[in-house]
Amino acid sequence: EAGVAQSPRYKIIEKRQSVAFWCNPISGHATLYWYQQILGQGPKLLIQFQNNGVVDDSQLPKDRFSAERLKGVDSTLKIQPAKLEDSAVYLCASSLDTGDEQFFGPGTRLTVL
Amino acid sequence: AQSVTQLGSHVSVSEGALVLLRCNYSSSVPPYLFWYVQYPNQGLQLLLKYTSAATLVKGINGFEAEFKKSETSFHLTKPSAHMSDAAEYFCAVSEGGYQKVTFGTGTKLQVIP
Repeated sequence: EAGVAQSPRYKIIEKRQSVAFWCNPISGHATLYWYQQILGQGPKLLIQFQNNGVVDDSQLPKDRFSAERLKGVDSTLKIQPAKLEDSAVYLCASSLDTGDEQFFGPGTRLTVL
Repeated sequence: AQSVTQLGSHVSVSEGALVLLRCNYSSSVPPYLFWYVQYPNQGLQLLLKYTSAATLVKGINGFEAEFKKSETSFHLTKPSAHMSDAAEYFCAVSEGGYQKVTFGTGTKLQVIP
Protein backbone atom coordinates (compact mmCIF):
# COMPACT_ATOMS: atom_id res chain seq x y z
CA GLU A 1 0.00 0.00 0.00
CA ALA A 2 1.39 3.38 -0.99
CA GLY A 3 1.95 5.85 1.82
CA VAL A 4 1.30 9.56 2.06
CA ALA A 5 3.16 11.44 -0.68
CA GLN A 6 4.39 15.01 -0.40
CA SER A 7 6.20 17.35 -2.74
CA PRO A 8 8.49 19.10 -2.97
CA ARG A 9 10.75 17.58 -0.31
CA TYR A 10 12.78 20.77 0.06
CA LYS A 11 12.09 24.40 -0.78
CA ILE A 12 14.15 27.55 -0.27
CA ILE A 13 12.53 30.95 -0.81
CA GLU A 14 13.08 34.53 0.21
CA LYS A 15 10.78 36.30 2.63
CA ARG A 16 7.67 37.84 1.12
CA GLN A 17 7.63 35.22 -1.65
CA SER A 18 4.85 32.67 -1.95
CA VAL A 19 5.14 28.89 -1.81
CA ALA A 20 2.83 25.89 -2.18
CA PHE A 21 3.07 22.34 -0.92
CA TRP A 22 1.22 19.31 -2.23
CA CYS A 23 -0.02 16.20 -0.42
CA ASN A 24 -1.52 12.99 -1.76
CA PRO A 25 -3.01 10.94 1.10
CA ILE A 26 -3.39 7.19 1.30
CA SER A 27 -6.13 6.03 -1.04
CA GLY A 28 -9.51 5.92 0.64
CA HIS A 29 -8.52 8.07 3.61
CA ALA A 30 -11.20 10.63 4.31
CA THR A 31 -9.29 12.75 6.82
CA LEU A 32 -6.22 14.81 5.96
CA TYR A 33 -4.03 16.87 8.28
CA TRP A 34 -1.34 19.51 7.78
CA TYR A 35 1.19 19.97 10.59
CA GLN A 36 3.98 22.51 11.05
CA GLN A 37 7.12 21.22 12.77
CA ILE A 38 9.57 23.96 13.75
CA LEU A 39 13.10 22.85 14.60
CA GLY A 40 13.27 21.65 18.19
CA GLN A 41 9.50 21.41 18.58
CA GLY A 42 6.86 18.79 18.07
CA PRO A 43 4.41 18.93 15.16
CA LYS A 44 1.60 21.45 15.51
CA LEU A 45 -1.72 20.92 13.72
CA LEU A 46 -2.47 23.67 11.20
CA ILE A 47 -5.60 22.34 9.54
CA GLN A 48 -7.71 19.19 9.38
CA PHE A 49 -9.99 18.21 6.49
CA GLN A 50 -12.79 15.67 6.46
CA ASN A 51 -13.23 14.86 2.76
CA ASN A 52 -13.22 18.35 1.22
CA GLY A 53 -14.53 20.20 4.28
CA VAL A 54 -12.50 21.90 7.00
CA VAL A 55 -12.91 20.38 10.47
CA ASP A 56 -10.35 22.42 12.39
CA ASP A 57 -8.23 25.37 11.28
CA SER A 58 -7.98 27.13 14.64
CA GLN A 59 -4.17 27.27 14.53
CA LEU A 60 -3.82 28.24 10.88
CA PRO A 61 -2.48 31.81 10.41
CA LYS A 62 -5.21 32.74 7.99
CA ASP A 63 -3.71 36.08 7.02
CA ARG A 64 -0.94 34.27 5.14
CA PHE A 65 -1.71 30.54 5.09
CA SER A 66 -4.42 28.85 3.03
CA ALA A 67 -5.24 25.25 2.26
CA GLU A 68 -7.67 23.41 0.09
CA ARG A 69 -8.66 19.86 -0.62
CA LEU A 70 -10.65 19.94 -3.81
CA LYS A 71 -12.50 16.70 -4.62
CA GLY A 72 -11.61 15.36 -1.17
CA VAL A 73 -8.34 13.72 -2.26
CA ASP A 74 -5.16 15.74 -2.84
CA SER A 75 -4.47 18.86 -0.84
CA THR A 76 -2.34 21.96 -1.22
CA LEU A 77 -1.05 24.27 1.51
CA LYS A 78 -0.01 27.77 0.47
CA ILE A 79 1.92 30.50 2.24
CA GLN A 80 1.73 34.04 0.89
CA PRO A 81 3.74 36.05 1.77
CA ALA A 82 6.29 33.93 3.64
CA LYS A 83 8.06 35.15 6.77
CA LEU A 84 11.33 34.03 8.29
CA GLU A 85 9.47 32.30 11.12
CA ASP A 86 7.69 30.05 8.62
CA SER A 87 10.90 28.05 8.21
CA ALA A 88 9.88 24.56 9.29
CA VAL A 89 8.99 21.08 8.10
CA TYR A 90 5.41 20.81 6.87
CA LEU A 91 3.99 17.37 7.46
CA CYS A 92 0.91 15.92 5.85
CA ALA A 93 -0.94 13.02 7.45
CA SER A 94 -4.06 11.07 6.62
CA SER A 95 -6.41 8.70 8.39
CA LEU A 96 -9.25 6.45 7.29
CA ASP A 97 -11.69 8.63 9.15
CA THR A 98 -11.69 11.20 11.94
CA GLY A 99 -10.61 9.41 15.10
CA ASP A 100 -8.51 6.77 13.33
CA GLU A 101 -4.73 6.31 13.36
CA GLN A 102 -2.81 8.95 11.42
CA PHE A 103 -0.17 8.06 8.83
CA PHE A 104 2.47 10.66 8.04
CA GLY A 105 4.22 11.66 4.85
CA PRO A 106 7.98 12.48 4.70
CA GLY A 107 7.40 16.22 4.96
CA THR A 108 8.51 19.31 3.06
CA ARG A 109 11.39 21.26 4.56
CA LEU A 110 10.89 25.00 3.96
CA THR A 111 13.70 27.50 4.45
CA VAL A 112 12.80 31.19 4.27
CA LEU A 113 15.79 33.51 3.80
CA ALA B 1 -6.35 21.19 27.94
CA GLN B 2 -4.10 18.28 27.08
CA SER B 3 -0.31 18.53 27.07
CA VAL B 4 2.80 16.39 27.04
CA THR B 5 6.20 16.94 28.66
CA GLN B 6 9.22 15.02 27.50
CA LEU B 7 12.14 15.13 29.92
CA GLY B 8 15.48 15.45 28.17
CA SER B 9 15.79 16.77 24.65
CA HIS B 10 18.85 14.54 24.09
CA VAL B 11 19.57 11.10 25.50
CA SER B 12 22.72 9.07 24.84
CA VAL B 13 23.06 5.36 25.53
CA SER B 14 25.63 2.73 24.68
CA GLU B 15 24.76 0.01 22.21
CA GLY B 16 23.19 -2.85 24.18
CA ALA B 17 22.18 -0.65 27.11
CA LEU B 18 18.67 0.06 28.36
CA VAL B 19 16.77 2.83 26.60
CA LEU B 20 14.45 4.95 28.78
CA LEU B 21 12.69 7.98 27.33
CA ARG B 22 10.44 9.87 29.72
CA CYS B 23 7.01 11.30 29.01
CA ASN B 24 4.47 12.87 31.36
CA TYR B 25 1.03 13.94 30.23
CA SER B 26 -1.82 16.13 31.31
CA SER B 27 -5.38 15.38 30.29
CA SER B 28 -8.82 16.20 31.66
CA VAL B 29 -10.28 12.91 30.43
CA PRO B 30 -8.86 9.39 30.02
CA PRO B 31 -6.27 9.88 27.32
CA TYR B 32 -4.99 8.05 24.34
CA LEU B 33 -1.16 8.09 24.41
CA PHE B 34 1.31 7.54 21.60
CA TRP B 35 4.99 7.25 20.89
CA TYR B 36 6.20 8.15 17.41
CA VAL B 37 9.69 7.81 15.95
CA GLN B 38 11.14 10.13 13.32
CA TYR B 39 14.25 9.18 11.38
CA PRO B 40 16.23 11.94 9.62
CA ASN B 41 14.36 13.45 6.68
CA GLN B 42 11.38 11.16 7.20
CA GLY B 43 7.88 11.53 8.55
CA LEU B 44 6.61 10.23 11.87
CA GLN B 45 6.02 6.51 12.35
CA LEU B 46 3.80 5.16 15.10
CA LEU B 47 5.79 2.99 17.55
CA LEU B 48 3.00 2.12 19.94
CA LYS B 49 -0.23 3.40 21.42
CA TYR B 50 -2.24 3.19 24.62
CA THR B 51 -5.99 3.26 24.13
CA SER B 52 -7.32 2.35 27.61
CA ALA B 53 -6.77 -1.39 27.38
CA ALA B 54 -3.65 -3.07 28.80
CA THR B 55 -1.38 -0.65 30.68
CA LEU B 56 1.79 -2.27 29.34
CA VAL B 57 1.90 -1.67 25.61
CA LYS B 58 4.29 -3.42 23.26
CA GLY B 59 5.27 -1.78 20.00
CA ILE B 60 7.48 -2.30 17.02
CA ASN B 61 11.26 -2.77 17.10
CA GLY B 62 11.24 -4.14 20.66
CA PHE B 63 9.94 -0.97 22.31
CA GLU B 64 7.32 -0.93 25.05
CA ALA B 65 5.68 1.66 27.29
CA GLU B 66 3.73 1.50 30.52
CA PHE B 67 0.76 3.73 31.28
CA LYS B 68 0.85 4.82 34.95
CA LYS B 69 -2.20 6.88 35.80
CA SER B 70 -1.01 7.69 39.34
CA GLU B 71 2.19 9.20 37.94
CA THR B 72 0.60 10.57 34.74
CA SER B 73 3.48 8.96 32.90
CA PHE B 74 3.98 6.94 29.72
CA HIS B 75 7.73 6.24 29.57
CA LEU B 76 9.21 4.41 26.57
CA THR B 77 11.72 1.60 27.15
CA LYS B 78 13.77 -0.93 25.22
CA PRO B 79 15.99 -3.47 27.01
CA SER B 80 18.91 -3.29 24.59
CA ALA B 81 19.68 -0.35 22.30
CA HIS B 82 20.67 -0.93 18.70
CA MET B 83 22.47 1.51 16.44
CA SER B 84 19.39 1.68 14.23
CA ASP B 85 17.38 3.10 17.15
CA ALA B 86 19.13 6.46 16.77
CA ALA B 87 16.30 8.85 15.90
CA GLU B 88 13.99 11.43 17.42
CA TYR B 89 11.10 10.18 19.53
CA PHE B 90 7.87 12.05 20.16
CA CYS B 91 5.32 11.37 22.86
CA ALA B 92 1.77 12.50 22.08
CA VAL B 93 -1.63 12.64 23.78
CA SER B 94 -5.20 12.96 22.59
CA GLU B 95 -8.50 13.30 24.38
CA GLY B 96 -11.07 11.22 22.62
CA GLY B 97 -9.59 8.74 20.21
CA TYR B 98 -7.06 9.86 17.65
CA GLN B 99 -8.46 13.34 17.30
CA LYS B 100 -6.62 16.50 18.36
CA VAL B 101 -3.25 14.87 18.89
CA THR B 102 -0.82 17.08 20.86
CA PHE B 103 2.86 16.29 20.51
CA GLY B 104 5.74 16.78 22.91
CA THR B 105 8.93 18.56 21.92
CA GLY B 106 10.78 15.35 21.18
CA THR B 107 13.83 13.48 22.50
CA LYS B 108 16.80 12.75 20.26
CA LEU B 109 18.29 9.36 21.02
CA GLN B 110 21.97 8.84 20.30
CA VAL B 111 23.36 5.30 20.41
CA ILE B 112 27.08 5.06 21.03
CA PRO B 113 28.92 2.03 19.65
